[in-house]
Amino acid sequence: QVQLRESGPGLVKSSETLSLTCAVSGDSMKTTHWWAWVRQSPGKGLEWLGDIFHSGVTNYNPSLKSRVTISQDASNNQFSLTLTSLTAADTAFYYCARHGGSYYRGFQVWGQGTLVTVSS
Amino acid sequence: SYELTQPVSVSVSPGQTASVTCSGEDLGKKYICWYQQKTGQSPVLVIYQDDQRPSGIPERFSGSNSGTAATLTISGAQPMDEADYFCQTWDSNTYVFGPGTKVTVL
Repeated sequence: QVQLRESGPGLVKSSETLSLTCAVSGDSMKTTHWWAWVRQSPGKGLEWLGDIFHSGVTNYNPSLKSRVTISQDASNNQFSLTLTSLTAADTAFYYCARHGGSYYRGFQVWGQGTLVTVSS
Repeated sequence: SYELTQPVSVSVSPGQTASVTCSGEDLGKKYICWYQQKTGQSPVLVIYQDDQRPSGIPERFSGSNSGTAATLTISGAQPMDEADYFCQTWDSNTYVFGPGTKVTVL
């Protein structure tokens, strides 16, 4: 059974950089799947931030592209999110997720999410 | 950027059919996925590729997509189906989610 678990700080300061890690268990990252980050502001909708393939190829949401970096540590079966220049608008639940490999297959497995609050 | 539109809320009586719509320009030419999110939980994929159910999703969940709208149908809705439902598609190399619909079963 595939499980994803996010870890990182729950509170970060405005203008600083957020770093989150997603540990993957029950599956190898070296498959046909893509590994993604999705966030959800409290009480709001979902926003895809970007994803990574085990080859290292990445895709990012254009609305955040200049601030987002996704990297991987395939040997440890984990991948990470870095988000720079934080503002209060970045306060959200951050989820890591496994995508089905083709764009129409959907985000099949989700982590439990981690709440990140950006304070001034 | 591409946008999806969903009704804010849908109410259904237990055992009846609930329909949740998702609209977007030429949406019928794209594939749609649907996610269920219960309060305090992570989203769960309930439909992919317009009308396919992942393993473990009950048959009462079905999907369709044509023209400018996609529909998630819950046939014989149960109290456990009360949740927020989000549609999602892919446009210009970006995954786009709808704003979500709160389905109330009462």
